[in-house]
Amino acid sequence: NAGVMQNPRHLVRRRGQEARLRCSPMKGHSHVYWYRQLPEEGLKFMVYLQKENIIDESGMPKERFSAEFPKEGPSILRIQQVVRGDSAAYFCASSPSGGAYGYTFGSGTRLTVV
Amino acid sequence: GQQLNQSPQSMFIQEGEDVSMNCTSSSIFNTWLWYKQDPGEGPVLLIALYKAGELTSNGRLTAQFGITRKDSFLNISASIPSDVGIYFCAGQLINAGNMLTFGGGTRLMVKP
Repeated sequence: NAGVMQNPRHLVRRRGQEARLRCSPMKGHSHVYWYRQLPEEGLKFMVYLQKENIIDESGMPKERFSAEFPKEGPSILRIQQVVRGDSAAYFCASSPSGGAYGYTFGSGTRLTVV
Repeated sequence: GQQLNQSPQSMFIQEGEDVSMNCTSSSIFNTWLWYKQDPGEGPVLLIALYKAGELTSNGRLTAQFGITRKDSFLNISASIPSDVGIYFCAGQLINAGNMLTFGGGTRLMVKP
C-alpha cells in the first residue's frame, strides 16, 4: 500500500528552464493538493485538484505556474521559465475525500534553480 | 500572511523532559492537525483533532483542540532522541475549503 509518491526527489534547473513535478496519490485517493515550503518556514498551500478539475488555485502564483490532474496518470505541477526564487521544496498531499481525514503528504521534490 | 502563530520556534531540552508547544490564531478552525517533519522528508501526521475541546493521545503525545477553536497544544512526555525534528500545527479554516494553513514550526532538539 504505497503512500503518496513524488518524483523526482531532487531537481536542478537553470534559470529560464521548465520544471515538471509529478505526484501519484495514494490508492483510493481522488483529491490532490500541492504545497510549497521555503527553508525554515511552514508549508504554504498552492492548489487543490480532483480528477480533471482544479478546485481551488488561490495559492498559485498568477504566472508561470500551472497544475493538472488528468484522468489517467499522476498530477503534474509545472513551473515555466524558473527563477531563483522558485527554489523550494514542493510537497504533494492526497486524501480520499474532501476534508482533513486521511490527508497524507509525499516526501517532496526539492527544486534548485541555478 | 501567517494565520497560525506557533511557539516556541525552537526548543533544546534534555532527554526525558516533557515538551509543550502551541498554536494560536485569531481565526476559527474546524480541524487541527499536528505533524512532524524530519530533514528531507514530508510532514507525517501525529494527531488529528476534529472537535472543539477534544483531547487526544498517541503514545507519548497528547494534543488538545481549544474550546474557542482558535488554538491547540501538543505535549510530548519523556522525550527521547528520536523526537528530534520540526513539529508543525496545521488547521482547516472554517469556510476555506480543504486547504491546510500551517504554523511556522517548532524545532525540537533533544540532548541525550
